[in-house]
Amino acid sequence: KQEVTQIPAALSVPEGENLVLNCSFTDSAIYNLQWFRQDPGKGLTSLLLIQSSQREQTSGRLNASLDKSSGRSTLYIAASQPGDSATYLCAVSMRFGAGTRLTVKP
Amino acid sequence: GAVVSQHPSWVICKSGTSVKIECRSLDFQATTMFWYRQFPKQSLMLMATSNEGSKATYEQGVEKDKFLINHASLTLSTLTVTSAHPEDSSFYICSAPRAGAADTQYFGPGTRLTVL
Repeated sequence: KQEVTQIPAALSVPEGENLVLNCSFTDSAIYNLQWFRQDPGKGLTSLLLIQSSQREQTSGRLNASLDKSSGRSTLYIAASQPGDSATYLCAVSMRFGAGTRLTVKP
Repeated sequence: GAVVSQHPSWVICKSGTSVKIECRSLDFQATTMFWYRQFPKQSLMLMATSNEGSKATYEQGVEKDKFLINHASLTLSTLTVTSAHPEDSSFYICSAPRAGAADTQYFGPGTRLTVL
C-alpha cells in the first residue's frame, strides 16, 4: 500500500522568500503525482500534475519535480506571497500526504 | 476545463437519519470515481472506489453497509451515509479521473456533513 509523507508539517515564512515543500512515497511504481492546495474549509485546487515519465512541471511561480527512484517530489514556490498561504497536499495513486500548512507573512 | 460537482455542499441532519451525497462529472464520462473523507485539520482519506456497472471497492476499515456507494451512470456516483451519527460528521470529497488527460484527478468542491 502506497504511503505518502510530507515534510514539513507546517511552515511560516516572510513574504518574498523562496521555499520548498517535500513529498515522499514508498512505492515507486506510480502513474502520476499531483500537488494541490487547500484553503481552510474549502475543496482542493490542482496545482501541478507530473506524469511518471516526467521529471518536472512548472506553472508560474510553482515548480514541481519528481524523482521516482528515490520516491520523492518537491514543490518549489518562488517569491512567496500572502495569498500562497494554504495547506499543500501531495497525492500519489489516490493516497494523500498529511499536507504542509504554509503561512506567508506580509 | 473538466469540472466535478457535488451536491449538497453542506448538510445538517439528525442522528439516525441517512444522507445522500451526489458526485457528478459535468463534461466528461467517468467509469471510476473516488470518495474521500477529511476530518478537521487532517488530510484526505480514501474511503472507496466507485465503479460504474459493478460494486464499489472499499478501503480497509470502511464499513460498506454504512457508506453505500452507487455509480448510477457514467457521470454520477452517490454516497449514502446510513444511520448517521455525530462521528460521521466530516468533509466528504469525490474525485474523478479524466481519461486522456494523464488521468488527472478532478475533485469536487466537497460536502460538509454535520450530524447532530
